[in-house]
Amino acid sequence: DTGVSQNPRHKITKRGQNVTFRCDPISEHNRLYWYRQTLGQGPEFLTYFQNEAQLEKSRLLSDRFSAERPKGSFSTLEIQRTEQGDSAMYLCASSRKTDRAQYFGPGTRLTVL
Amino acid sequence: AQRVTQPEKLLSVFKGAPVELKCNYSYSGSPELFWYVQYSRQRLQLLLRHISRESIKGFTADLNKGETSFHLKKPFAQEEDSAMYYCALSRTGGGADGLTFGKGTHLIIQP
Repeated sequence: DTGVSQNPRHKITKRGQNVTFRCDPISEHNRLYWYRQTLGQGPEFLTYFQNEAQLEKSRLLSDRFSAERPKGSFSTLEIQRTEQGDSAMYLCASSRKTDRAQYFGPGTRLTVL
Repeated sequence: AQRVTQPEKLLSVFKGAPVELKCNYSYSGSPELFWYVQYSRQRLQLLLRHISRESIKGFTADLNKGETSFHLKKPFAQEEDSAMYYCALSRTGGGADGLTFGKGTHLIIQP
């Protein structure tokens, strides 16, 4: 499967713990995006990378959230000191530099107890 | 700031009936608009985009800049069209950025 992949698919954690998610984009895509989706809402943009550079962050991305894409390939999204309000589906998408259409992974569902 | 509005949370039609899912946007520039679809237990998939002006799975959507709308239409609904549909907007001009999504419309096609 050459689509966007995300791991883990599900994560249950206790409030206050740190969690890290991974996204592997489509191999020829140099742009990578993170979104968050809560029940009844569409995906909300968090941040995006072009190669290894993080070019935009949403105001939704609090200082407890950090994303990296060290070699311009896979990306990680870390949430520190999780809160119950962080419970959501975290989506990753990728695109070519020359194309605004984004292709999504299956998501990681986070539940904070 | 840009915004995408999908006024219907739920739309139920009978098989064979026409379908129209509404999408309105607000953006001061000239956007690119997309429709994404999410079937049960599947990932979000790109359905179509306004610049391609093509029909996918019998669906079409036309960008109406005067009404700031990008409604999705299909003349004869099929049961396999049942899914969540999201309208999304991308700002244009200088680099790429995140998409702005509407809240989605749950389309149910009744047999």
